[in-house]
Amino acid sequence: GAGVSQSPSNKVTEKGKDVELRCDPISGHTALYWYRQSLGQGLEFLIYFQGNSAPDKSGLPSDRFSAERTGGSVSTLTIQRTQQEDSAVYLCASSHYLNRGYRGYTFGSGTRLTVV
Amino acid sequence: SQQGEEDPQALSIQEGENATMNCSYKTSINNLQWYRQNSGRGLVHLILIRSNEREKHSGRLRVTLDTSKKSSSLLITASRAADTASYFCATDEYSGAGSYQLTFGKGTKLSVIP
Repeated sequence: GAGVSQSPSNKVTEKGKDVELRCDPISGHTALYWYRQSLGQGLEFLIYFQGNSAPDKSGLPSDRFSAERTGGSVSTLTIQRTQQEDSAVYLCASSHYLNRGYRGYTFGSGTRLTVV
Repeated sequence: SQQGEEDPQALSIQEGENATMNCSYKTSINNLQWYRQNSGRGLVHLILIRSNEREKHSGRLRVTLDTSKKSSSLLITASRAADTASYFCATDEYSGAGSYQLTFGKGTKLSVIP
């Protein structure tokens, strides 16, 4: 697609429920990143994919968080047993591995998650 | 962890004035990037400066990089009300195991008053 697409754009869920967030990167972009942004804060790195593999999962805040990427394209971020502190905007970004040092990353519009 | 730290946290100027935002970081980097965010949603890439570059221009934007001081600045000239947004610096660094990570600061909130 022309840009990075994230769905849903907004999600309200009850505490304890599981949620799945989706990211559809730009076609051909091999690198994919998930970030989290709490209200008024900077971006917190969660996980990085190169192709389908995730060499860096260091940012996942707990074992309730997991992510996968299939076919080198779409990625899903799953949060199990959601807690109120999980409320944030979850942002996905992609880049072409060869261009990441020249053209930066392209971000999606994010998913605003609210846990009530 | 926060790598880039922007200064000031908030900046309010009159339309037509110049806006300068600064960023400091701690470790070696491949490049440093500036992003803009409107309304707390998606970020838009503005400009990238590589570690071997000292200054770069793009339209009304000027970015400098001083690797000896581990600092960068973003200058927006002749500001417009539409420039009102949050601006983030981000450092691109190799984090090991074939992984690169873009680490963001907390941002500068710029308000341009018409």
